[in-house]
Amino acid sequence: QLQQSGPGLVKPSETLSLTCIVSGGSISSTYYYWGWIRQPPGKGLEWIASMYYTGSTYYNPSLRSRVAISVDASKNQLSLKLNSVTAADTAVYYCARQYDWKYPDYWGQGTLVTVSS
Amino acid sequence: EIVMTQSPATLSVSPGERATLSCRTSHSVASNLAWYQQELGQAPRLLIYGASTRAAGIPARFSGSGSDTEFTLTISSLQSEDSAVYYCQEYNNWPQLTFGGGTKVEIK
Repeated sequence: QLQQSGPGLVKPSETLSLTCIVSGGSISSTYYYWGWIRQPPGKGLEWIASMYYTGSTYYNPSLRSRVAISVDASKNQLSLKLNSVTAADTAVYYCARQYDWKYPDYWGQGTLVTVSS
Repeated sequence: EIVMTQSPATLSVSPGERATLSCRTSHSVASNLAWYQQELGQAPRLLIYGASTRAAGIPARFSGSGSDTEFTLTISSLQSEDSAVYYCQEYNNWPQLTFGGGTKVEIK
């Protein structure tokens, strides 16, 4: 299971921070990568970033300058930070387990984050 | 950058009939393509990977085919619970993952 948490409202220019706790398995598994995907209201899916437990990180080029993904293996936890947010960052954010790097096969429940003052 | 085009945008099908969804990619992705189902208000669910392999627990009425740049998801006999948006996703161009724009399947 992937259990997400984080604020649902963030002010413009501030930093969006989300966490995802992995249960029922180890985030240090060699079989999986861990990632974040978002979905603006009424729109499609956009991959944000992924990470392997060794520390290797991978980012969507369009968001690279504003995003940081991290893993805390001791807590079996995945985190996302997106800075300098604008209204365009309003979306449902999902954490996901990726089989190898390939395809997300388990998803968190999603967190709606609204950017508004 | 890979561009993924799904068609049609909306598909209206009667229960028991076949639904055929298309996904085209701007460059070859070999068989590195997955399909997802997203019901209203829910997270996406993996249906198909490797273009044609059903994920665990997915009913046999869902099948995937294709390779290179043209792919199809077929629902052989549509059930009421299949009303959802369906997305394709390529993973041939790691470290980047790209999703299609989605096809909404409605029950007539």
